Amino acid sequence: QKEVEQDPGPLSVPEGAIVSLNCTYSNSAFQYFMWYRQYSRKGPELLMYTYSSGNKEDGRFTAQVDKSSKYISLFIRDSQPSDSATYLCAMSAMNRDDKIIFGKGTRLHILP
Amino acid sequence: NAGVTQTPKFQVLKTGQSMTLQCAQDMNHEYMSWYRQDPGMGLRLIHYSVGAGITDQGEVPNGYNVSRSTTEDFPLRLLSAAPSQTSVYFCASSYMGLAGSTDTQYFGPGTRLTVL
Repeated sequence: QKEVEQDPGPLSVPEGAIVSLNCTYSNSAFQYFMWYRQYSRKGPELLMYTYSSGNKEDGRFTAQVDKSSKYISLFIRDSQPSDSATYLCAMSAMNRDDKIIFGKGTRLHILP
Repeated sequence: NAGVTQTPKFQVLKTGQSMTLQCAQDMNHEYMSWYRQDPGMGLRLIHYSVGAGITDQGEVPNGYNVSRSTTEDFPLRLLSAAPSQTSVYFCASSYMGLAGSTDTQYFGPGTRLTVL
């Protein structure tokens, strides 16, 4: 089993819809969870991060972590064509020598 | 701040040629790393450094060398390019968190390398 699993998509949704992006993981030591957004031909940029379980909201974006199920989600409300990008989840155990583990990314298309 | 900068943006090499991909950051980050990104493979860590003079191997280090003589710069050298090294290369940097763990990584714009 891979450490981090993420559906590659592509996921196509109409403008204005709620988007749900998800990752599952196997390492129960992970406690720092991130979502990166990567536009075509650009480097990944940090969108949101959370520590441990719970929800975090930032504008139209909500990150959710369920450590008991080893499942994290990113919700995008009122999706816009400018949200079209690849979204990568990432996580770390935050111990010395631990690396950040990235999912392979989900391609999202918001249809005008 | 310029953040993380990478040069060149694009490069075409012939098999067997060598070259250096440049990476620099102006955020005084201790941790710097190199990733390659291939379709269906995600980001794979090549080499990383926790400070000047200290480097270590990541997941896919073969065929690549790194050095870190200053906090700001972390060049990646391809010793003898092979078609399997055709990829997009990203440099990233971050602060070192508590207990030496790495914090949020900031990525450069990438170098697209084609090896013929």
